[in-house]
Amino acid sequence: SQQGEEDPQALSIQEGENATMNCSYKTSINNLQWYRQNSGRGLVHLILIRSNEREKHSGRLRVTLDTSKKSSSLLITASRAADTASYFCATVGAGGGADGLTFGKGTHLIIQP
Amino acid sequence: DADVTQTPRNRITKTGKRIMLECSQTKGHDRMYWYRQDPGLGLRLIYYSFDVKDINKGEISDGYSVSRQAQAKFSLSLESAIPNQTALYFCATSDLTSGRQFFGPGTRLTVL
Repeated sequence: SQQGEEDPQALSIQEGENATMNCSYKTSINNLQWYRQNSGRGLVHLILIRSNEREKHSGRLRVTLDTSKKSSSLLITASRAADTASYFCATVGAGGGADGLTFGKGTHLIIQP
Repeated sequence: DADVTQTPRNRITKTGKRIMLECSQTKGHDRMYWYRQDPGLGLRLIYYSFDVKDINKGEISDGYSVSRQAQAKFSLSLESAIPNQTALYFCATSDLTSGRQFFGPGTRLTVL
């Protein structure tokens, strides 16, 4: 079964605006990761946040984690057309992730020029 | 990730055929994974391996088998392909400490 659920399933915004995507998960985690997938291509790792962290930044990306609510958000600031892609959250279980990542269904983001 | 390669990139086959998808990595990671992705869904784990002697079933292993020929190579086989195995297949390796995964470019498999 899939651990994470992203919200919204699809998001369309104008270039330059900020995009926010949310992820909820069900079980205790070691860390949570966000990946980007351009249409039909491989996944690219964006950012990892550990269970003892609350916020993390990487360039135009900001990730928050609320373990009490079992939720995370990904904010992309000053969006660009090249940010058009599907974004997935994935969790590593509290046991350390040896058995792989558990993915959500993703948010499809469209940046309108 | 260019250090994780998959062959073939695209394959069309017929129901009942045996298919092998191959994955190679130069990252030196012990852990390797096979996932499948269906339209509108995230990735689901098929099999994973910690080393050449350790193979584990994932969430959706039925109808699939794997072989870990070496640290760098992990193959996925469909013994008798069926149409609902039409999907995008990804191989990945994992960093031991973080669990961060590095994905290959994917193989698009169509079973007619």
